This record gives sequence, structure tokens and C-alpha cells, in this order.
Amino acid sequence: KQEVTQIPAALSVPEGENLVLNCSFTDSAIYNLQWFRQDPGKGLTSLLLIQSSQREQTSGRLNASLDKSSGRSTLYIAASQPGDSATYLCAVLGNNFNKFYFGSGTKLNVKP
Amino acid sequence: DGGITQSPKYLFRKEGQNVTLSCEQNLNHDAMYWYRQDPGQGLRLIYYSQIVNDFQKGDIAEGYSVSREKKESFPLTVTSAQKNPTAFYLCASSIGSRETQYFGPGTRLLVL
Repeated sequence: KQEVTQIPAALSVPEGENLVLNCSFTDSAIYNLQWFRQDPGKGLTSLLLIQSSQREQTSGRLNASLDKSSGRSTLYIAASQPGDSATYLCAVLGNNFNKFYFGSGTKLNVKP
Repeated sequence: DGGITQSPKYLFRKEGQNVTLSCEQNLNHDAMYWYRQDPGQGLRLIYYSQIVNDFQKGDIAEGYSVSREKKESFPLTVTSAQKNPTAFYLCASSIGSRETQYFGPGTRLLVL
């Protein structure tokens, strides 16, 4: 069974700092990987989806990379802003499954 | 205005009572999902449906039931057999089972 881990569980940074969130998975036979944002008490919003054949995806200040062989993905946030404060979750879809497996998330706090 | 709606936002359950959570989507998506989220944890899959009149158990289906009689609707019933139902419940949908998932705003279930 696929296991997804996100470290650290919480992160606090000053505004303007560049930061990296980490996601690791145990089974490298994945179909795709997705990063989500969740605000307190709300649903999830999709940020980026990386197919297994891709190395990275970019959207504005966000860049997600994927290294299947090492079972890792990173989400890079440039020039962080207080509005980026939220919990960020990654989810992995395996080749043999029709369902995503989620990490427990990294709670980000960007201080003004 | 396309999207996924969940109701109610808050739901209270008494001992021995069955309760039903509503999920409706107007995105014309074939696949729909129910997840449970507990504090500090990732999402765990309860049930999913890839097409009308068909659904499969996820990782934690015990004590829950679903139906998929219409493409746009996927209600979840939390039965009295679910002994620890207090959680945040999220519904999602996608075009296909391996595509980006779009989430509703969630229902918080509390036990009286």
C-alpha cells in the first residue's frame, strides 16, 4: 500500500522568504502527483498536477518538482506572502490504483 | 456557476441515529469520491464511484453507505454502526478516475 509523508508538519517563515515543502512516497510506480491547498475549515483547492512523465510544473510563484526514482516531490513557493498561509497537501495516484493517497499536510504560516 | 456543493455545513448526530450528507456537482464529472479528514491527518477514502449506479469501497468504508442514482449526486449515509463519526467530510469529483479532483467545501459532523 502506498504511504505518503510530508515533512515538516508545520512551518513558520517571514514574509518574502522562498520556501520548499516536501512530499515523499513509498511506491515509485505512480501515475501522477497532485499538490493541494486547504484553508482552515474549507475544502481542498488543486494547485499543480504532475504526470509521471514530467519533472516539474509551474504556476505563478509555485513550482512543483517530481523525482519518481527517489519517491520525492517538492513544492517551491517564491516570495511568500501572508495570503499563502494554509495547509498544503500532496496526493499520489499509483499505476495500479484508481484512488489518490494523501499526505497529512504541512501547515504554513507566513508572518507579515 | 459550476462546482460542487455539500450540505449541511454542520451536522449533529445523536446516538444510534443515521445521518445523510449531501454532495451535488454540476461539472458533468463521471467520478465522485467521499473522504474523511481527522485533525492533523490526511484524507482517507471512504467510497468512490466511477459511473452512475456503480461504487466501490475505499479504505475505511465500514459504518458508511452511499448511492449513485444520478450522475450529479453522491450522498453519504453515516450509520449507527460507525462508532467514531466525528470528523470533517469532503466530497470530490473528477472527469475520470485519474484526473484532477475538485473538492466541495466540506461537512463537519459532530456527535451529541
